[in-house]
Amino acid sequence: NAGVMQNPRHLVRRRGQEARLRCSPMKGHSHVYWYRQLPEEGLKFMVYLQKENIIDESGMPKERFSAEFPKEGPSILRIQQVVRGDSAAYFCASSPTSGGEDTQYFGPGTRLTVL
Amino acid sequence: KQEVTQIPAALSVPEGENLVLNCSFTDSAIYNLQWFRQDPGKGLTSLLLIQSSQREQTSGRLNASLDKSSGRSTLYIAASQPGDSATYLCAVRGGTYKYIFGTGTRLKVLA
Repeated sequence: NAGVMQNPRHLVRRRGQEARLRCSPMKGHSHVYWYRQLPEEGLKFMVYLQKENIIDESGMPKERFSAEFPKEGPSILRIQQVVRGDSAAYFCASSPTSGGEDTQYFGPGTRLTVL
Repeated sequence: KQEVTQIPAALSVPEGENLVLNCSFTDSAIYNLQWFRQDPGKGLTSLLLIQSSQREQTSGRLNASLDKSSGRSTLYIAASQPGDSATYLCAVRGGTYKYIFGTGTRLKVLA
C-alpha cells in the first residue's frame, strides 16, 4: 500500500504565477488535510477535505488560496498570484476516517519557492 | 485553544548519551499524540503514536510517554547516534481532526 504521494516535490514560481500542488491519499483514505510549514515555524493546519467537500478551511488564507478534492483524482491546493511569503513546505496528510483515534499519514511535502 | 510547546528548542549531545525531549500541551482533552522526525528539507517520519488511553509506546531505542493530566509527553532516545540528528516534532490531536504541532527540538548528536 503506497503512502501519501505529493507532487511535485519541489516547485519554483515567480511572483504573480499560479502554483498547483497535488496530493494522492493512501488507498482507501477519503479524508485529506493540508498543512503549511513556513521557514523556522511549525506545521499549521490549512484545510480539511473529504471527497467533493471542503469540511474546514479555517486555516487557509482568505485570498488566493483554494483547495479541492474531486470525486476522481488527487486533491489540489491552488495558490494564485504567488508572493514571496508563500514560500514554504506544504504537507498533505490522509486518514481513513475522521475518527479521533485515527492517525493522519503524512506525505513527503512540496517545497514551494517563490522568486 | 490548544498550544504545544517543545523544550529545548535545540540540543547538542555527544554520541552514546541518553536524552529526553519534552513536549507540553495546554488542553488535556486529546485523542492522541504523535512524535515525528524531520530531516532538513525533508518530509515527516512518524516515530511513535500514543493514544489517549495509553501511557507509553516503544520502538527500538525510542520510548515515548504520555501524561494527559499534566499535559506532558517525553521522547526518550537511548544510546544516541549521529544518525539521530534531526528535528523532532510533537503533534497533538484534540477534539477536532487537526494536529497541532510544536515548533520542534533540533537535535545534533556529535560523533
